[in-house]
Amino acid sequence: QQQVKQSPQSLIVQKGGISIINCAYENTAFDYFPWYQQFPGKGPALLIAIRPDVSEKKEGRFTISFNKSAKQFSLHIMDSQPGDSATYFCAATTGGGNKLTFGTGTQLKVEL
Amino acid sequence: GAVVSQHPSRVICKSGTSVKIECRSLDFQATTMFWYRQFPKQSLMLMATSNEGSKATYEQGVEKDKFLINHASLTLSTLTVTSAHPEDSSFYICSASLGREANYGYTFGSGTRLTVV
Repeated sequence: QQQVKQSPQSLIVQKGGISIINCAYENTAFDYFPWYQQFPGKGPALLIAIRPDVSEKKEGRFTISFNKSAKQFSLHIMDSQPGDSATYFCAATTGGGNKLTFGTGTQLKVEL
Repeated sequence: GAVVSQHPSRVICKSGTSVKIECRSLDFQATTMFWYRQFPKQSLMLMATSNEGSKATYEQGVEKDKFLINHASLTLSTLTVTSAHPEDSSFYICSASLGREANYGYTFGSGTRLTVV
């Protein structure tokens, strides 16, 4: 019940295209859903996060779509750039500073 | 923004020796810190949760006597890998919970690449 399932495992997108990564969860007590970007040899960095009281959140080129009834959320990267090539992790937690449960990660490559 | 400084970034040690990894919160007080381990092309695996002034809570399967965690102050948490073996070679990452003021977000250190030879 603590798992967060993430797909796809890897993704290749052309420059300027849209990258879409999906996650699904089972624990209905989760109330904070962040997305992290990780470059090789570095720690994860927060991209964007959402709470279940909204269905969408946009920050620049990054958008989270959240479907509470389906227990799914996704990351959309608009106008994908080669600099976006990295590994992306979704995560979830019950909030209040509790531990994060991470998805398995998606390796994104943006080609010219 | 809230920053966690993690050192060293890379360390090579001989089998049987101990290695200490430090994480310092630079501009906030980290009541709760998390320690993760990450193998190549895999996700972050939580090893333990530490609260300042308390004993760490270890995840199932993590040897508490091998991975010693100390969180004696609100700005410093350490992970000591004792009697290291080659199978302990991995990428170790710390993270801090930012509390209510930051909407209960999290910040991560830059990671430590441990190689045991």
